[in-house]
Amino acid sequence: QKEVEQNSGPLSVPEGAIASLNCTYSDRGSQSFFWYRQYSGKSPELIMSIYSNGDKEDGRFTAQLNKASQYVSLLIRDSQPSDSATYLCAVKGGYSTLTFGKGTMLLVSP
Amino acid sequence: GAVVSQHPSRVICKSGTSVKIECRSLDFQATTMFWYRQFPKQSLMLMATSNEGSKATYEQGVEKDKFLINHASLTLSTLTVTSAHPEDSSFYICSARVSSGNNEQFFGPGTRLTVL
Repeated sequence: QKEVEQNSGPLSVPEGAIASLNCTYSDRGSQSFFWYRQYSGKSPELIMSIYSNGDKEDGRFTAQLNKASQYVSLLIRDSQPSDSATYLCAVKGGYSTLTFGKGTMLLVSP
Repeated sequence: GAVVSQHPSRVICKSGTSVKIECRSLDFQATTMFWYRQFPKQSLMLMATSNEGSKATYEQGVEKDKFLINHASLTLSTLTVTSAHPEDSSFYICSARVSSGNNEQFFGPGTRLTVL
């Protein structure tokens, strides 16, 4: 059973701070890793993908991957109230389907 | 990112009726589309994987005779909820995978189904 674990939160950070979201996965054969943002009542939106160990930066977002530790994280710099949402970690192994975590709710207070 | 549309966005129907939901990839071809269901405050649950021109692959516990999936073209997949009941009320979301590149998946906006 492939599992993706996330802390459900909520993670509360003040505006302007760095939000750190974490995810662990069980399938060592996983090859692709994604972070989606989901606002309440809306469908998920892809914000980052990462495929190799290390950091990948895109604007205020940085994804970090450590395959040896089976750990992937998302950092959001200069957090804004509009970043308040549920962040879903998704992992793709050798097969075609994504396995999603249950998501971490992020609350950014003004 | 690639654009995926879904129609209708919201539907209310009586128990026992069937509801069809369309999922379209607007600016790319998708050989594979996925159908998810999400209940309130819960995570996405994959229902089935839809491949163009072949039968869908259903996840364990999902009744294929109740949730009919057709993927007739590279840009369109449909999900039909047959004989819907109140317990089928949920948020149904499709996604499409880009065939080239890194196989990223993009989601449609979802369909909110309410069965009375």
